[in-house]
Amino acid sequence: RKEVEQDPGPFNVPEGATVAFNCTYSNSASQSFFWYRQDCRKEPKLLMSVYSSGNEDGRFTAQLNRASQYISLLIRDSKLSDSATYLCVVNGTPNQAGTALIFGKGTTLSVSS
Amino acid sequence: GAVVSQHPSWVICKSGTSVKIECRSLDFQATTMFWYRQFPKQSLMLMATSNEGSKATYEQGVEKDKFLINHASLTLSTLTVTSAHPEDSSFYICSANTGALRFSEAFFGQGTRLTVV
Repeated sequence: RKEVEQDPGPFNVPEGATVAFNCTYSNSASQSFFWYRQDCRKEPKLLMSVYSSGNEDGRFTAQLNRASQYISLLIRDSKLSDSATYLCVVNGTPNQAGTALIFGKGTTLSVSS
Repeated sequence: GAVVSQHPSWVICKSGTSVKIECRSLDFQATTMFWYRQFPKQSLMLMATSNEGSKATYEQGVEKDKFLINHASLTLSTLTVTSAHPEDSSFYICSANTGALRFSEAFFGQGTRLTVV
């Protein structure tokens, strides 16, 4: 089983649609979870952290289910500018000064007018 | 927020030559930096962990003699791809945590797109 698995996509949706991405992770000891956004040929940028209680940031809602080792991202009222690849990210083995991140393969979203 | 600068953003080199990529933390000290590689349509894969003042830790399958990492100061890590070949063509990207928390947000450099011809 891969460390972080995501829906393969691509997701092609019209503007205004609601779209959900799913992700599972294999390491039950993982403690930090994130969704990153990556535009073509650019570095990943943090979209939001994911907390056990679930969290919302505007049109974006992230959920975490530790028992199922499952993470989700919901995007409401999709905009053209939401078109990107969304990466599910989990912390790796921590060391004293930081921790490398384990990335999912990413799910590509294309929002059309 | 914290900024990580990576240079160059792209490079084309001949097969057999070496390429050095720099990663700098601009407004914080990073005792640890991470180097990733991303092939087209693939996820970012951790190559190595760069530790200031000590040897880098390489992930399984990554040749330490081919991908030389030097972390000589608290703000600079370099990755040198030695004797590059076309199969080394990829997107290389570094990241660093601010270190305030062990699980703090990672900040990424802009990435380096390497093409070996």
